Amino acid sequence: EPEVTQTPSHQVTQMGQEVILRCVPISNHLYFYWYRQILGQKVEFLVSFYNNEISEKSEIFDDQFSVERPDGSNFTLKIRSTKLEDSAMYFCASSVEGSGANVLTFGAGSRLTVL
Amino acid sequence: QQQVKQSPQSLIVQKGGISIINCAYENTAFDYFPWYQQFPGKGPALLIAIRPDVSEKKEGRFTISFNKSAKQFSLHIMDSQPGDSATYFCAASKNNNDMRFGAGTRLTVKP
Repeated sequence: EPEVTQTPSHQVTQMGQEVILRCVPISNHLYFYWYRQILGQKVEFLVSFYNNEISEKSEIFDDQFSVERPDGSNFTLKIRSTKLEDSAMYFCASSVEGSGANVLTFGAGSRLTVL
Repeated sequence: QQQVKQSPQSLIVQKGGISIINCAYENTAFDYFPWYQQFPGKGPALLIAIRPDVSEKKEGRFTISFNKSAKQFSLHIMDSQPGDSATYFCAASKNNNDMRFGAGTRLTVKP
């Protein structure tokens, strides 16, 4: 069964450092998303991406965050200068379409720990 | 306006019993209501979903009941099994672009 692949599975970084989280969405999917889950809390929407541009973003997704699809297969989330409160599990997801009852397929997540 | 409220926070059920998790939403523009199941160390996986034009959807042991006027929907797991033990999230969205999740319910099914 096709799956969304995320790397790294766990990254530890110092506050203020830049972090890039990588995702390989399912190959025929056109819509890509990043969500985060702070330990023990709910899953929160960060951003959606379609046709090489951001289609929607939440209030969490400030200027410290950026997304990119550099090569047609990878979808990356960059945090420019990490803060302690960025420590969370980051989930990438993809879907075939962006409207209607379309299934989001989530990756296993990348755990980010900021010290 | 964008919140999805989920209860209970945790639930313990005996094997064979019925697990019921409830969610309420505020934004009447939402038109897609999925339930996700998450096992430790894994990403959320779609379990079952409903659109607001029907009041109930059943897939095997899982049923969503939807009350549009009350802006509430619930997940019922019949004949609960230990393998159902996981965290369940309700969610709501319009167009999948900004899916809002509930806080999650940790279900434990005792053998």
